[in-house]
Amino acid sequence: QVQLVESGGGVVRPGRTLKLSCAASGFPFTDYGMHWVRQAPGKGLEWLAGLWSDGTEKYNADSVEGRFTISRDNSKDTVFLQMNSLRAEDTAVYYCARDLYNSAFDYWGQGTLVTVSS
Amino acid sequence: QSALTQPASVSGSPGQSITISCIGTSSDIGSFNVVSWYQQCPGKAPKLLIYAVNKRPSGVSNRFSGSKSGNTASLTISGLQAEDEADYYCNSLTWSRTWVFGGGTKLTVL
Repeated sequence: QVQLVESGGGVVRPGRTLKLSCAASGFPFTDYGMHWVRQAPGKGLEWLAGLWSDGTEKYNADSVEGRFTISRDNSKDTVFLQMNSLRAEDTAVYYCARDLYNSAFDYWGQGTLVTVSS
Repeated sequence: QSALTQPASVSGSPGQSITISCIGTSSDIGSFNVVSWYQQCPGKAPKLLIYAVNKRPSGVSNRFSGSKSGNTASLTISGLQAEDEADYYCNSLTWSRTWVFGGGTKLTVL
């Protein structure tokens, strides 16, 4: 069955960096685009970034442009989110999600919590 | 890109039907038939309910249906059940190839 497992979250000080990972299994990873979505405590969902199955095209939300970078390693069935210059407002649960042929996010991981605090 | 506009809350009694609206613009909902809906129960990851405006993934009850008119999409839940109590989010592709969610709607089953 399709599984997405995020890791790499934790407590980090403002201004520091963090790299999240999402390990995929149960489907042909190289056939699917992938996304990162976050949810601040008590708030709604926010799409952050997505990239094509071959990694050649990637897109970011304006809110994280220049600070967050999505990438993938198709040899390890893993997608990453590099987060730089972290701010308190980046505190959230971060989910990775599979792209359903550019129409939706059909499978989600369980999420990993990132807390930015001094 | 501004978030899509959803009502903060809706409610209904068991057996009734409710509709959640999702208002966008000509740069997102109005331009593409790429609207999806998600259900999120407390402490859980979102679950896909509807994609491509009105298509249901395998395993999703046919009590859930979607539609779109102009810049507004809608999710209808018929035969409301207690287990439907959750948060619901709409999402759309935008002209800049980014994605935008609605603010979310809390459904209360009375």
